[in-house]
Amino acid sequence: KQEVTQIPAALSVPEGENLVLNCSFTDSAIYNLQWFRQDPGKGLTSLLLIQSSQREQTSGRLNASLDKSSGRSTLYIAASQPGDSATYLCAVTKAAGNKLTFGGGTRVLVKP
Amino acid sequence: DAGVIQSPRHEVTEMGQEVTLRCKPISGHDYLFWYRQTMMRGLELLIYFNNNVPIDDSGMPEDRFSAKMPNASFSTLKIQPSEPRDSAVYFCASRHGQWADTQYFGPGTRLTVL
Repeated sequence: KQEVTQIPAALSVPEGENLVLNCSFTDSAIYNLQWFRQDPGKGLTSLLLIQSSQREQTSGRLNASLDKSSGRSTLYIAASQPGDSATYLCAVTKAAGNKLTFGGGTRVLVKP
Repeated sequence: DAGVIQSPRHEVTEMGQEVTLRCKPISGHDYLFWYRQTMMRGLELLIYFNNNVPIDDSGMPEDRFSAKMPNASFSTLKIQPSEPRDSAVYFCASRHGQWADTQYFGPGTRLTVL
């Protein structure tokens, strides 16, 4: 059974500092990995999707890397801003299905 | 597009009552997913549909839960009878076509069972 873990569960940084969020998964037989953002009382918004054959994806200040063999992904957010404060979740899709398995999320607070 | 629409946004009910949650997916999307989010268990997939047909309902916790998709633009998740442990935020998500694409989530329904 696939298990997805995100450490730390919460993170607080001063504005301008780079954020590093970690995600690990136990079964390397994944099709893709996604990073989502969730604001309080809101649904999830997809940030980046990495196919299993890719090593990284970039969008603006966001960069996500994937090391499938070691079961790890890292989300980097450069020059953090207070507006980046949210919960960030990673999720993996099984190689032979549509099911997303989510990590518990990392709650981020960027202090002005 | 208005995105995925869920109603109601908040529901408070008493134990034993029937609860119906509603979802309208993004037009043209052929996959629809129901998730439940709790502090203890995080975000869990309950069931998903493809072209209105249930494909995997292995996440449905017990027979008190049922889901239907009578047409491409509407789905319901019903809990009967409801119990306090059903209190959670229920999300609906939809996706179009190839399963390499991301899912688009609705704002969720916060359910409280007293």
